[in-house]
Amino acid sequence: GQNIDQPTEMTATEGAIVQINCTYQTSGFNGLFWYQQHAGEAPTFLSYNVLDGLEEKGRFSSFLSRSKGYSYLLLKELQMKDSASYLCAVTDSNYQLIWGAGTKLIIKP
Amino acid sequence: IAGITQAPTSQILAAGRRMTLRCTQDMRHNAMYWYRQDLGLGLRLIHYSNTAGTTGKGEVPDGYSVSRANTDDFPLTLASAVPSQTSVYFCASSDGTSGSTDTQYFGPGTRLTVL
Repeated sequence: GQNIDQPTEMTATEGAIVQINCTYQTSGFNGLFWYQQHAGEAPTFLSYNVLDGLEEKGRFSSFLSRSKGYSYLLLKELQMKDSASYLCAVTDSNYQLIWGAGTKLIIKP
Repeated sequence: IAGITQAPTSQILAAGRRMTLRCTQDMRHNAMYWYRQDLGLGLRLIHYSNTAGTTGKGEVPDGYSVSRANTDDFPLTLASAVPSQTSVYFCASSDGTSGSTDTQYFGPGTRLTVL
């Protein structure tokens, strides 16, 4: 079966750095997305990786290793507004988007 | 502001009743999607449409139906609601078809409770 694993919850301190991991086992691979979802709101797009390596976008970076079935989202200089759930999603060989359950990130002052 | 709207924002429904969730996008996107989101589970695809006039089944289609009469609208109907359909429903759209890697953009969601 197809599976995406992320930690359920993480806690970090304001101003620090946090890394949210995502491992996947899917039938084929055509790209990996990270979305942010604040409580009670819709998911919003953060990043997309299809090749191995690091994609940097301001305070957020996303890394992909296709051979390891692994990605991480790196958040730097954490702010209170970064408290949210972070969803990892993989496009499989049929171009269907498979979603992880999300990681709830709690930021403490 | 361009985007996706959903209605209603929330709804409490008696089991057995029929309900239609509305979704409209003004981005002229080809593909539209309906997901449900339940605590502890990832977003699960209910139905999708690659273009006006076509629809397809997702991972959890039973008990739901959709139509795509035009580019902008993609309503989701529960013919006879059951308590297990209590969930938050998100509509999304993307420029390409579901057979692409285009980013999906989400509406604000409808919180549905079936009693």
